[in-house]
Amino acid sequence: EAGVAQSPRYKIIEKRQSVAFWCNPISGHATLYWYQQILGQGPKLLIQFQNNGVVDDSQLPKDRFSAERLKGVDSTLKIQPAKLEDSAVYLCASSGGTGGNNEQFFGPGTRLTVL
Amino acid sequence: AQSVSQHNHHVILSEAASLELGCNYSYGGTVNLFWYVQYPGQHLQLLLKYFSGDPLVKGIKGFEAEFIKSKFSFNLRKPSVQWSDTAEYFCAVNLNTGGFKTIFGAGTRLFVKA
Repeated sequence: EAGVAQSPRYKIIEKRQSVAFWCNPISGHATLYWYQQILGQGPKLLIQFQNNGVVDDSQLPKDRFSAERLKGVDSTLKIQPAKLEDSAVYLCASSGGTGGNNEQFFGPGTRLTVL
Repeated sequence: AQSVSQHNHHVILSEAASLELGCNYSYGGTVNLFWYVQYPGQHLQLLLKYFSGDPLVKGIKGFEAEFIKSKFSFNLRKPSVQWSDTAEYFCAVNLNTGGFKTIFGAGTRLFVKA
């Protein structure tokens, strides 16, 4: 079974530029998550989709971050404009169920550096 | 506010030593509890989980964790660590707040000396 795919793996941009990340979850997984992991901290949930609907985006900085999950499969996360404090690893995860006891499967992450 | 605390940020052990990593959460409602592990150069992956039943759960590679509801804790244990257990360990709590929300702890970096 193929895992969660993310691209790019690394991205370096200057502040005020825009950037987009892509995630392809495990086939058939209904729930998709985007996390931000700043160095030395645990992953912080940014947004959670169930199929193509948003379940939780309470911690998404909506003035600069946006995400979509077209057709309930792939997802993109965009930052526009980027700030220095956005430097982090952005993790995508998916799970097969919609309940809280389901294992999340993580991708390799995208490491973003904002200069 | 709901939070997850992992008491040790860095732990160094010799092979065959026993391991216990602490995890406490602040939430009075129903929870599902997880430990995830990230080996060097690899993705985060599930080590074990608890959602109901026996509060002592066993996971992969000889790890186990005990849910103590009265203490809001879910500590991870292994009786004898190996060099290959060197990794970062994350406690995660899934809260039933109407929907389901996952909160991760800050992680504990374990280094096992051969």
